[in-house]
Amino acid sequence: GQNIDQPTEMTATEGAIVQINCTYQTSGFNGLFWYQQHAGEAPTFLSYNVLDGLEEKGRFSSFLSRSKGYSYLLLKELQMKDSASYLCAVRHNDYKLSFGAGTTVTVRA
Amino acid sequence: DGGITQSPKYLFRKEGQNVTLSCEQNLNHDAMYWYRQDPGQGLRLIYYSQIVNDFQKGDIAEGYSVSREKKESFPLTVTSAQKNPTAFYLCASSTDWTEPYEQYFGPGTRLTVT
Repeated sequence: GQNIDQPTEMTATEGAIVQINCTYQTSGFNGLFWYQQHAGEAPTFLSYNVLDGLEEKGRFSSFLSRSKGYSYLLLKELQMKDSASYLCAVRHNDYKLSFGAGTTVTVRA
Repeated sequence: DGGITQSPKYLFRKEGQNVTLSCEQNLNHDAMYWYRQDPGQGLRLIYYSQIVNDFQKGDIAEGYSVSREKKESFPLTVTSAQKNPTAFYLCASSTDWTEPYEQYFGPGTRLTVT
């Protein structure tokens, strides 16, 4: 089975940094994805980790620790357009994804 | 432009009616997926297909049916047997030849059944 937990909501100020944590329990782990989803729109791919460590892509970074079943998404230099829901998804060995409920990030001026 | 299209964006139906949601992709992806999204819950997998003329049930397939007669198309039928059909439905596709094989999502169809 699988259990994926992430905080429901986070609020931060424009220009600040926010870290969204994701913990998971699963069998047959084959990678972890982060997606961004604006309200009423399609999720869009942000990052992917399959090995332990940090992956950096511009203002966004993602970290994975497989032994701890833990990942985080780090958003730096927050902008108003970063207000969205951020979805953590675990990929299994059969290549299916299991999603967390999402973290709604609100960026305030 | 390559992408995934879903139509319509909003759909209203009366209880007891079957309804079919469209999903088309021109990304040449082999795999396609249907999810539903409800407030406060993660995306849940309804059906998926890894190749034409083949599909498998996901975690919540009851009350739904699909077909995969063409690589580009993966329509989802919400039948009258689905007890809580009102939801946001997302279609996705992925390749299996380029890591990390991320899934690309369509814009979604919001179905309301009254």
